[in-house]
Amino acid sequence: QITLKESGPTLVKPTQTLTLTCTFSGFSLNTSGVGVGWIRQPPGKALEWLALIYWDDDKRYRPSLKNRLTITKDTSKNQVVLTMTNMEPVDTATYYCVHRTGAIQNFDYWGQGTLVTVSS
Amino acid sequence: EIVLTQSPGTLSLSPGERATLSCRASQSVSSNYLAWYQQKPGQAPRLLMYGASSRASGIPDRFSGSGSGTDFTLTISRLEPEDFAVYYCQQYGSSPRTFGQGTKVEIK
Repeated sequence: QITLKESGPTLVKPTQTLTLTCTFSGFSLNTSGVGVGWIRQPPGKALEWLALIYWDDDKRYRPSLKNRLTITKDTSKNQVVLTMTNMEPVDTATYYCVHRTGAIQNFDYWGQGTLVTVSS
Repeated sequence: EIVLTQSPGTLSLSPGERATLSCRASQSVSSNYLAWYQQKPGQAPRLLMYGASSRASGIPDRFSGSGSGTDFTLTISRLEPEDFAVYYCQQYGSSPRTFGQGTKVEIK
C-alpha cells in the first residue's frame, strides 16, 4: 500500500525559505520509472505542478519557479524534500506530495496535503 | 506551456443524469497523455483516467474518457451522489505538466 505524507511549517514569513518533507512508504525511489513530485493548490484555486525527482536523480522544475525551487531525495529514509526560497503571500497554498509511476508515467497516489500560509 | 481550458465551469445536474466535461488544450497533447482527477472538499485529488481513456485502478465503469490531440472529454454515464465534486484535467505529455482550472459538478 502506497502512502505519502507531507510535513513542514504551517506558517512562514515573507522572504523566508520553505522546507517541506514528503515521507513515503509502499514503494522504493530506487525502482526504475518511479518519481516523487510536488503539486500545490492555492485556496479555492486550481492545481499547479512544481517539481519532480526521478529514481535516477533526474530533476524537473516548473520553469516559472525554477530559480526558487530545489528538490532532493534520501532513499535510505524514504523521503523527498522540497525547498522554496523567498516565499510570498501568493505562495499560500496546500502543498501535495505525489507518487509518479512508470506504468502510466503520471501521478497516481497523493498525500493528504499540508496548508502553508505566508504572512507576516 | 500547454494551457488546458475546461468547460463548463459549473455543471448543475441531478443524480442519475449524464455528465459531459470538456478539456481543450492550447496545443496537441503528446501521446494523448491526458488525465482526469476528481477532488472533493478537503481531500486530495484522486486519479480517475489516464492516457485519455484508461480508467485508473478501482474507478467504476460509469466513468469514461475520450478524445485526442487537443480535445478531450470525461463522461459520467449516471451520476451517483458521491460523484458531485470538482474535476480537473491534466496533461503530462510535455513539461511543465499542467492542469485545467476545473469543472464543478454540483447537485441541481
